[in-house]
Amino acid sequence: QKEVEQNSGPLSVPEGAIASLNCTYSDRVSQSFFWYRQYSGKSPELIMSIYSNGDKEDGRFTAQLNKASQYVSLLIRDSQPSDSATYLCAVLILTGGGNKLTFGTGTQLKVEL
Amino acid sequence: SAVISQKPSRDICQRGTSLTIQCQVDSQVTMMFWYRQQPGQSLTLIATANQGSEATYESGFVIDKFPISRPNLTFSTLTVSNMSPEDSSIYLCSVAGLAGGPGEQYFGPGTRLTVT
Repeated sequence: QKEVEQNSGPLSVPEGAIASLNCTYSDRVSQSFFWYRQYSGKSPELIMSIYSNGDKEDGRFTAQLNKASQYVSLLIRDSQPSDSATYLCAVLILTGGGNKLTFGTGTQLKVEL
Repeated sequence: SAVISQKPSRDICQRGTSLTIQCQVDSQVTMMFWYRQQPGQSLTLIATANQGSEATYESGFVIDKFPISRPNLTFSTLTVSNMSPEDSSIYLCSVAGLAGGPGEQYFGPGTRLTVT
């Protein structure tokens, strides 16, 4: 089982709709979770961090965390064509050598006009 | 927020040669990391660059192939040694310990390496 799993997509949504991106993780003791946005040819950009169960909202973005189900999601409201990118879920995993940020394979989002 | 720069931004190298990539941050950071992102793939951690001591490498990566330096809290280098076409990838440095939540990492712009 992969440590962090995402559906690779592409996920296509019409402009103005809600995009829902999902991620599951295997390490039950993980405490820190992140969403990165990566445009083609660019480096990942941190857009959301979440540390406790429930929802965290920042503008059009809402991160949701359910530690019991080992599930974290990202909702993008009023999706815009500029939101078209790959979204990477990352989980901070505790290892013997220290904390390690482990990434999923990413979900490609396409927002269509 | 901190400005992270990498040099070179891209390079085309011949097999068997080595390339050193530099990562510079405009403020002191506690942690610096090096990642590789192969075409169409996600990010894979190569190593944690430790200031004043040897880097901590992940499984599958060794110091002879990817020597790393971190002479101070704002600068690190990654060398890709004895390159082969399989080393063609984007190499990214990231930093942690800036203002923000625990574990947050911020990435430099990356170095696109092509080995012929």
